[in-house]
Amino acid sequence: DVQLVESGGGLVKPGGSLRLSCAASGFSFTTAWMNWVRQAPGKGLEWVGRLKSKAGGGTTDYAAPVKGRFTISRDDSKNMLYLEMNSLKAEDTAVYYCIAIISGTPADPYFDCWGQGTLVTVSS
Amino acid sequence: EIVMTQSPATLSVSPGERATLSCRASQSVSSNLAWYQQKPGQAPRLLIYGASTRATGIPARFSGSGSGTDFTLTISSLQSEDFAVYYCQQYNNWPPYSFGQGTKLEIK
Repeated sequence: DVQLVESGGGLVKPGGSLRLSCAASGFSFTTAWMNWVRQAPGKGLEWVGRLKSKAGGGTTDYAAPVKGRFTISRDDSKNMLYLEMNSLKAEDTAVYYCIAIISGTPADPYFDCWGQGTLVTVSS
Repeated sequence: EIVMTQSPATLSVSPGERATLSCRASQSVSSNLAWYQQKPGQAPRLLIYGASTRATGIPARFSGSGSGTDFTLTISSLQSEDFAVYYCQQYNNWPPYSFGQGTKLEIK
């Protein structure tokens, strides 16, 4: 079965750092473009960033609110995706979802596989 | 950045009836639009991509239509498990991949 399992969420103080992990299984992780999407409590979905597969160039893109503070990386040997979050703010409080583009293509990148999410709370 | 606007914010419909949800893009996204369903405490699930193609395992009562800037998600005969929040998302001009603010479909 295709599966994404996030971990690493928790309570962190403003200005602090946190690293989220996403373990992937059941599909070809090395060829998948990966994304992070977040959802603040009681709010809608917000795209955070994307990391292309190495074959696709391996580049990243980020949403404006997190650019310069968040970094997405991957370890294809371990089928793992990471989200390094620095200089955290209260407004970063959200459930963070790991997403794989599996059936889609680089030209048709719909989000067809979602993890269950991990909660990050930024509060003093 | 493309802004996606969904309407209505809340839709009250009786089981067995038809529900029609709308999504409008601030500029053309061609047919590069997806719909997601989210139930309380769960991750979103892909329903429709390419504006009108059902994802694997999605019942035929879900259908999508539209292109350019105006899109519709129709649920032909609502079942109890369909009451949820629905989001549209464009993936034509990215980044960013922009989502609508969601439509909550509730039982009337």
